[in-house]
Amino acid sequence: QVQLVQSGAEVKKPGASVRVSCKASGYTFTSYGISWVRQAPGQGLEWMGWISGHNDNANYAQKLQGRVTMTTDTSSSTAYMELRSLRSDDTAVYYCARRGGGYWLGPWGQGTLVIVSS
Amino acid sequence: QSALTQPRSVSGSPGQSVTISCTGSSSDVGGYYYVSWYQHHPGKAPKLMIYDVNQRPSGVPDRFSGSKSGNTASLTISGLQAEDEADYYCCSYSGTYSNAVFGGGTKLAVL
Repeated sequence: QVQLVQSGAEVKKPGASVRVSCKASGYTFTSYGISWVRQAPGQGLEWMGWISGHNDNANYAQKLQGRVTMTTDTSSSTAYMELRSLRSDDTAVYYCARRGGGYWLGPWGQGTLVIVSS
Repeated sequence: QSALTQPRSVSGSPGQSVTISCTGSSSDVGGYYYVSWYQHHPGKAPKLMIYDVNQRPSGVPDRFSGSKSGNTASLTISGLQAEDEADYYCCSYSGTYSNAVFGGGTKLAVL
């Protein structure tokens, strides 16, 4: 079955960087994109951006431009999301999800909690 | 990016129907057929319930249906069940940002 498995929780200090991985299985990785979505405590879902599964094309949410980079390793069917210059309001659960052509997302990874605290 | 507008909460009794609205603009909901809906139980991964406005992925009960009129999309859940109690989010492609945007989420209570 299609499955996305994410890396474990992280605790970072303000100003640091974090990289979250997302390993896909059960489908042809290069046939779909991977999107990243986050949910801050008590808040709703926030679209962070997406990356193609077969080339380096990526599109990021305006508010994260310059701080986020999404990459893929097709040899291992793994996607990565790096967020730099972390702030306390970056504390959230970060999800990856397979992205279909119509911007639908499914299935989703289990989520990775990132805590930014001094 | 501004979120799409959803009611904060809706409720219904078992067996009843509820509809959750998602209002955007001609640059997102009204301009594209790329509206999707997600069910999110706290602590679990969100689940795709509807895509491309009214398409249901395999495995999603036909009690869930989607529609769109103008700049407003809707998710209707009929024959409410206790396990439907969750947060629901709409999502649409936005031509303004060449990306997608979520609604603020709606908490469904099954009374």
